[in-house]
Amino acid sequence: DQQVKQNSPSLSVQEGRISILNCDYTNSMFDYFLWYKKYPAEGPTFLISISSIKDKNEDGRFTVFLNKSAKHLSLHIVPSQPGDSAVYFCAASPDNFGNEKLTFGTGTRLTIIP
Amino acid sequence: DTGVSQDPRHKITKRGQNVTFRCDPISEHNRLYWYRQTLGQGPEFLTYFQNEAQLEKSRLLSDRFSAERPKGSFSTLEIQRTEQGDSAMYLCASSFDGNTEAFFGQGTRLTVV
Repeated sequence: DQQVKQNSPSLSVQEGRISILNCDYTNSMFDYFLWYKKYPAEGPTFLISISSIKDKNEDGRFTVFLNKSAKHLSLHIVPSQPGDSAVYFCAASPDNFGNEKLTFGTGTRLTIIP
Repeated sequence: DTGVSQDPRHKITKRGQNVTFRCDPISEHNRLYWYRQTLGQGPEFLTYFQNEAQLEKSRLLSDRFSAERPKGSFSTLEIQRTEQGDSAMYLCASSFDGNTEAFFGQGTRLTVV
């Protein structure tokens, strides 16, 4: 039972363009959502998060949008840079900051084409 | 303190052997988590501690797995009688209650042959 789904295993985007990564969830108890970035042979690195009381959170080139009624969130990266090439995981938690367990999606491999 | 530290980074073991991994969290973090990641999947929750108390264990954590955090600082994850299906990346993370998201270590890659 995949409670957090990332339906695109991979995505290629030209440098300078916008990258949009999508995530869907099924559990209505999720209250906090996070995006992590992972390079090969390293652990996931926290990128940006959003609470369910908001519909948008922005941090530099990264913006996360939450549509609670559709149980959908997306990560926008603009402009995309070669260093953004990595696997991106969406995660969800029933509490603030994800201080209880996180449920992860299967990831989307983003490749930025120079 | 530069982050969450895990040791060893890589472990190859024969089926049936016991292995133990160590995690040192960020020093002021009171919560510590263990996750497991297999190829093509996202990290899956195994267990977490608040200080020395183990608050939740996943059904993925069979009776061959045991985790401890005896003094509320570092933690160990032991797998007894390893099986080939235990081959995975074991990730540790830590956070501070109500204040930070979870920060992950670089993981321990276990290969059971």
